[in-house]
Amino acid sequence: DADVTQTPRNRITKTGKRIMLECSQTKGHDRMYWYRQDPGLGLQLIYYSFDVKDINKGEISDGYSVSRQAQAKFSLSLESAIPNQTALYFCATSDRRVGYGYTFGSGTRLTVV
Amino acid sequence: KQEVTQIPAALSVPEGENLVLNCSFTDSAIYNLQWFRQDPGKGLTSLLLIQSSQREQTSGRLNASLDKSSGRSTLYIAASQPGDSATYLCAVMFLPGVAGGTSYGKLTFGQGTILTVHP
Repeated sequence: DADVTQTPRNRITKTGKRIMLECSQTKGHDRMYWYRQDPGLGLQLIYYSFDVKDINKGEISDGYSVSRQAQAKFSLSLESAIPNQTALYFCATSDRRVGYGYTFGSGTRLTVV
Repeated sequence: KQEVTQIPAALSVPEGENLVLNCSFTDSAIYNLQWFRQDPGKGLTSLLLIQSSQREQTSGRLNASLDKSSGRSTLYIAASQPGDSATYLCAVMFLPGVAGGTSYGKLTFGQGTILTVHP
């Protein structure tokens, strides 16, 4: 099993729908992150969490929300999806014990039509 | 503003060639620097992590160097193979406390270098 698992792998949804992307990790890392990747724009931070009780906005949090259900689980929600949220979404973890090196999940390709 | 730049944007080389990918960053106050590989439409695979106190890291045919004072890192790939074809991303974790700087723990990514190794 992958260390950082994202579900679903691919999703097509309609404008206005609520959608949740899920991330779980088996690495025991404290920190979890959500990034999105768009062609030509690189990776941008949406939200991050340093522990279960700590949630922080990133660069592009508008239109998104997150929930850290447990140390191992961090979900990203789009409350009302819009076409410009079409992107590749990545969850990542890091921890002091590994020098804050990141481990990324395989990504969720989201298409909003 | 803290930024990361990668040069070249694309590189095409014949199999067997040694090559260097470049990464520069605007602020020497960094915690670490990480090189990733990304295949088309896939996730990011960590290649090498260099802490700010280190000068280089090696893994197999890969060697990454770090020069904080000049704001530069290089990824050296020896004896390139077609399977090395991918996009290579450099990412920097800047230290907090800089006016207008990023939050601690965030990675700032370069735009990547698209590498093609042809047989």
